[in-house]
Amino acid sequence: GQNIDQPTEMTATEGAIVQINCTYQTSGFNGLFWYQQHAGEAPTFLSYNVLDGLEEKGRFSSFLSRSKGYSYLLLKELQMKDSASYLCAVMDSNYQLIWGAGTKLIIKP
Amino acid sequence: GAVVSQHPSRVICKSGTSVKIECRSLDFQATTMFWYRQFPKKSLMLMATSNEGSKATYEQGVEKDKFLINHASLTLSTLTVTSAHPEDSSFYICSARAGLAGDTGELFFGEGSRLTVL
Repeated sequence: GQNIDQPTEMTATEGAIVQINCTYQTSGFNGLFWYQQHAGEAPTFLSYNVLDGLEEKGRFSSFLSRSKGYSYLLLKELQMKDSASYLCAVMDSNYQLIWGAGTKLIIKP
Repeated sequence: GAVVSQHPSRVICKSGTSVKIECRSLDFQATTMFWYRQFPKKSLMLMATSNEGSKATYEQGVEKDKFLINHASLTLSTLTVTSAHPEDSSFYICSARAGLAGDTGELFFGEGSRLTVL
């Protein structure tokens, strides 16, 4: 079966760095996405990785290792507005997105 | 970036009535649109995939006659919840993809529609 695993909840301090991990087992692989979702709102796109390595975009970075079926989202200089759920999703061989359950990130002052 | 507009954002209806939710891609042609349902504190659950001009492909366990999906044009897809009941109350979200299979696959999401059935 297809499976996406990510922690249910994480807590971090404002100004700090946090890493949210995602492991996956899917039928084929055509890229991995990270989305941010604030409560009561639709998800917004953060990053897309299809090749191994680190993609940096401002305070957010995303890493992928296809051989390990592993990705992480790194958030630096945390701000209170970063409190949200972070969804990991993998596009399988049929170009369908398989979604993780999301990681709720709580930022404390 | 590409914009997807979803309407209405909130709707309250009586049990037994039908509700239509619209999803429009405002500045691009969406060959594929997806409809999701999300329960509180849960991830997105894909309900169906619709391609313009063809019948929607429903996920296992989703009632086709209950959730009618129409994708009549490259910029509009609609989800109609027929004979709604309180258990249909949920957050419904659409997303659209501009390209065909083989593109990056980035999805552009609508704002979501919160349905409350009394």
